[in-house]
Amino acid sequence: DAGVTQSPTHLIKTRGQQVTLRCSPKSGHDTVSWYQQALGQGPQFIFQYYEEEERQRGNFPDRFSGHQFPNYSSELNVNALLLGDSALYLCASSFQTGAAVAFFGQGTRLTVV
Amino acid sequence: AQRVTQPEKLLSVFKGAPVELKCNYSYSGSPELFWYVQYSRQRLQLLLRHISRESIKGFTADLNKGETSFHLKKPFAQEEDSAMYYCALGANRDDKIIFGKGTRLHILP
Repeated sequence: DAGVTQSPTHLIKTRGQQVTLRCSPKSGHDTVSWYQQALGQGPQFIFQYYEEEERQRGNFPDRFSGHQFPNYSSELNVNALLLGDSALYLCASSFQTGAAVAFFGQGTRLTVV
Repeated sequence: AQRVTQPEKLLSVFKGAPVELKCNYSYSGSPELFWYVQYSRQRLQLLLRHISRESIKGFTADLNKGETSFHLKKPFAQEEDSAMYYCALGANRDDKIIFGKGTRLHILP
């Protein structure tokens, strides 16, 4: 089991563009959560997907959206990128009944220029 | 409001000395508390959770509901303990994780 895998590992985008980040959960996990980690900060919760639906959402604007597929993999989309969106984006997978016990991916480093 | 506070950004400790990483939380109900750790060039991983009441890599943490604290302790620091440590809170079993800002532990030789 490769654990949680994220792609790409690094990405550079221009302000105003759109970006899609991808995540494959650990085998057997049904819940995927996304976090944004700015430099020097702890991870901040963006949203959580379970059964292909967004179950919870943190304090992020609608420019941030996501999707979960039948195989439990997930995408994070960010529209109209701002410089402040530059961060490490972490995907975490878990069982729904125990979502706080999460396995994290290595992250995608997004730089907006 | 749910919040996790880690007052120290950096903690330097000599090898063999005791370690205590402080964590305080704010939550009105009964939270589940965790410590996550990130070693250099590795992914964030769960170190321990309060309901397990176990010792992992010599680390323990006791939930003090009166002081709303969940400090991480180890009696004798080892060089391999150098890492970034995050205290985290999960409000319900199916809930998001709320992280503190993290404490970088640096073990001095």
